[in-house]
Amino acid sequence: DAGITQSPRHKVTETGTPVTLRCHQTENHRYMYWYRQDPGHGLRLIHYSYGVKDTDKGEVSDGYSVSRSKTEDFLLTLESATSSQTSVYFCAISKTGFNEKLFFGSGTQLSVL
Amino acid sequence: TQLLEQSPQFLSIQEGENLTVYCNSSSVFSSLQWYRQEPGEGPVLLVTVVTGGEVKKLKRLTFQFGDARKDSSLHITAAQPGDTGLYLCAGTNNNAGNMLTFGGGTRLMVKP
Repeated sequence: DAGITQSPRHKVTETGTPVTLRCHQTENHRYMYWYRQDPGHGLRLIHYSYGVKDTDKGEVSDGYSVSRSKTEDFLLTLESATSSQTSVYFCAISKTGFNEKLFFGSGTQLSVL
Repeated sequence: TQLLEQSPQFLSIQEGENLTVYCNSSSVFSSLQWYRQEPGEGPVLLVTVVTGGEVKKLKRLTFQFGDARKDSSLHITAAQPGDTGLYLCAGTNNNAGNMLTFGGGTRLMVKP
């Protein structure tokens, strides 16, 4: 299994609070991604990174920011959480190319009350 | 936006039966990936198909990419309870920055 760790695995927070999710990889892969998975919408890309300090927006980036200060860590921040951001968040990595052969973490279940 | 539609959305079968799930689009894709996701876990890549008409086999699973590269199918022979999960297809398009589009998935339950 690819070495990807997401933390926390579960989080409950209140509307308006900031939340940061962490993705840590031990594979030294170049590309990292944050997805959210919701019933009826499948997996949707939030942000992605193609190197240290190199990030770009995905399909559903509003309300989210990311940072990648080291190859191994990709942080997803909800500046002011809303109930619509209740979801399961997955981090993924790929080595061979952008959007090729993604390896996913186990996910973070986030509930915003 | 390129859309991928998967059918059926849900499928419940008995152990030993055969099944086929479909992934369809009106758009052409450069490649098509299939993933399986188990409850509480992230998706796991099963296969990537890149050539129109390509067929790949993974034990009891057979994947086919349509000749026009707009659709794909996954056929499972003699399904087992261990095949239970959410099957996701995802397509890339080199002409659209190689962005990856996921379908909504087919949730398969194989009963013993």
